[in-house]
Amino acid sequence: NAGVTQTPKFRILKIGQSMTLQCTQDMNHNYMYWYRQDPGMGLKLIYYSVGAGITDKGEVPNGYNVSRSTTEDFPLRLELAAPSQTSVYFCASSLSYRGPNYGYTFGSGTRLTVV
Amino acid sequence: KQEVTQIPAALSVPEGENLVLNCSFTDSAIYNLQWFRQDPGKGLTSLLLIQSSQREQTSGRLNASLDKSSGRSTLYIAASQPGDSATYLCAVTIGGGADGLTFGKGTHLIIQP
Repeated sequence: NAGVTQTPKFRILKIGQSMTLQCTQDMNHNYMYWYRQDPGMGLKLIYYSVGAGITDKGEVPNGYNVSRSTTEDFPLRLELAAPSQTSVYFCASSLSYRGPNYGYTFGSGTRLTVV
Repeated sequence: KQEVTQIPAALSVPEGENLVLNCSFTDSAIYNLQWFRQDPGKGLTSLLLIQSSQREQTSGRLNASLDKSSGRSTLYIAASQPGDSATYLCAVTIGGGADGLTFGKGTHLIIQP
């Protein structure tokens, strides 16, 4: 059981370039999340999804886009990369957001540098 | 807006000591509180989950308490070991929402052999 898989693990982008961070989970979880973590800071929510076809903004959505065409995949798109988007990005999933099936599984992260 | 604060930001103690990490949150209307462990270059591992109706949870040498009315939680680590060295993150879920976790900045813990 792979859990939550993120690719790539590392990436360097030039200002203005675009890229997609991939996230796949094989646990049939309904809820998926994208967080970013800046040095010395906690994680901040970028976007989340409660199921295929349904996404919503988190605390820091500007400069990002997401889609959820399947239960398994939740890619994060960066358009026109800026130095402020240099961060570590974590994808997470959960079967439920409450109750006995609640619990998060995190991917190992994508370290992105924009130069 | 919910804010989560963790004190201390960093802590270094000799092996074998018992220690306490603190977490406070500004809005007591939380659904649950979680403690995570983060190792360098790795993702987050969930340690303990406390529902808002609970007072504490225990797992091995770890014990987490929750005082929802005062907006505080503590993570107690007994008989610390070098393998406990990591960053510990506290996070809360707003009651009834599916919109993710609000995290503190973490406590960076070093256990000296």
